[in-house]
Amino acid sequence: EAGVTQSPTHLIKTRGQQATLRCSPISGHTSVYWYQQALGLGLQFLLWYDEGEERNRGNFPPRFSGRQFPNYSSELNVNALELEDSALYLCASSSLPGRVGGYTFGSGTRLTVV
Amino acid sequence: AQSVTQPDIHITVSEGASLELRCNYSYGATPYLFWYVQSPGQGLQLLLKYFSGDTLVQGIKGFEAEFKRSQSSFNLRKPSVHWSDAAEYFCAVGATNAGNMLTFGGGTRLMVKP
Repeated sequence: EAGVTQSPTHLIKTRGQQATLRCSPISGHTSVYWYQQALGLGLQFLLWYDEGEERNRGNFPPRFSGRQFPNYSSELNVNALELEDSALYLCASSSLPGRVGGYTFGSGTRLTVV
Repeated sequence: AQSVTQPDIHITVSEGASLELRCNYSYGATPYLFWYVQSPGQGLQLLLKYFSGDTLVQGIKGFEAEFKRSQSSFNLRKPSVHWSDAAEYFCAVGATNAGNMLTFGGGTRLMVKP
């Protein structure tokens, strides 16, 4: 069984540009979660999607957005990039949207803003 | 709102020695508790989880954790550490009334001496 896959592995962008990160969940998982892991800030919850809808959002500005497609894959978009957006972005999926379950994480996308 | 504290930022143990990583949580009801491990540049791997029942939980790689409600703790233990256990360990708490979001502690970096 394929795990959670994220692309690209690394992404370098210039301040002010837009970044698009992609995530494919484990087959059969309908929930996708996005987390930001910035140096010194730990893992911060960004977004939760389930069945194509945004279900919950962390304390991030609106320039962080995303969507979930009918095949349950997801995109995270970060507009107007700032230097402090440099981080590892982790996607996770779960098959238990109605209750808390253990997530399965992807290996992440390392975003560097210069 | 739930929160997680991992008091030890860094821990160094000798190979073969026992290990205990501390985790304290704050949550009003019975929490869902997790331990994840992250190797450098990688995503997070689930070690074990506690939902209910037996308070001593067995996980992968020889790890176990004990839920102590009276102490609001969920400490991770391993009787004999291997060099390959060097990584960062994250404790997390989840709640269905928080949008199925996991809240992570700041992590404990484990170093293993030969």
